[in-house]
Amino acid sequence: SQTIHQWPATLVQPVGSPLSLECTVEGTSNPNLYWYRQAAGRGLQLLFYSVGIGQISSEVPQNLSASRPQDRQFILSSKKLLLSDSGFYLCAWGPRDRGRQETQYFGPGTRLLVL
Amino acid sequence: AQKVTQAQTEISVVEKEDVTLDCVYETRDTTYYLFWYKQPPSGELVFLIRRNSFDEQNEISGRYSWNFQKSTSSFNFTITASQVVDSAVYFCALSEGSNDYKLSFGAGTTVTVRA
Repeated sequence: SQTIHQWPATLVQPVGSPLSLECTVEGTSNPNLYWYRQAAGRGLQLLFYSVGIGQISSEVPQNLSASRPQDRQFILSSKKLLLSDSGFYLCAWGPRDRGRQETQYFGPGTRLLVL
Repeated sequence: AQKVTQAQTEISVVEKEDVTLDCVYETRDTTYYLFWYKQPPSGELVFLIRRNSFDEQNEISGRYSWNFQKSTSSFNFTITASQVVDSAVYFCALSEGSNDYKLSFGAGTTVTVRA
């Protein structure tokens, strides 16, 4: 069966510090991968998605970036965090071989607090 | 424009009561997909159901049931005989080809089940 991992689970960072959140998927190959952010009390906002190694699509202009160095690894980064980057970050995967319309399955999330 | 509307922000019920969550969507596509996810206090989004636009058959899974009506662009979700463990935020989402099958989430409905 497929599993998706995210770490760290919780992170407290000062404004201006760098960020690296990692997401890995097990039990599947060639997944579509997604990063979402959920601000407190709000819905989910798609940040990035990837259909393959090195292929990243950005949805919202911001100071965040994403990379996919391996097939089942998706990394969310920032060079300098802003207060507004605080939130709950969720990674998701979907089976690419059946198209983008397939179900997305989410990881446990990372809670980021920028102070 | 909001593609998915969940008009109910919060619903509070007593255990064993039924609760219905409304979801109204907007799309011009003839082929699209609708989803419901559950987000318990732990934060992880749990997939509940996926329905394509050509399948209007209602579905029942245990205490959960879904009513899909294309005529009113609604995909409502009912929890029968609610339990405390049903307390969570529930999200409805839409995936459409004209939007590259990205998930458009509603704002979510917080369900609180009191013992």
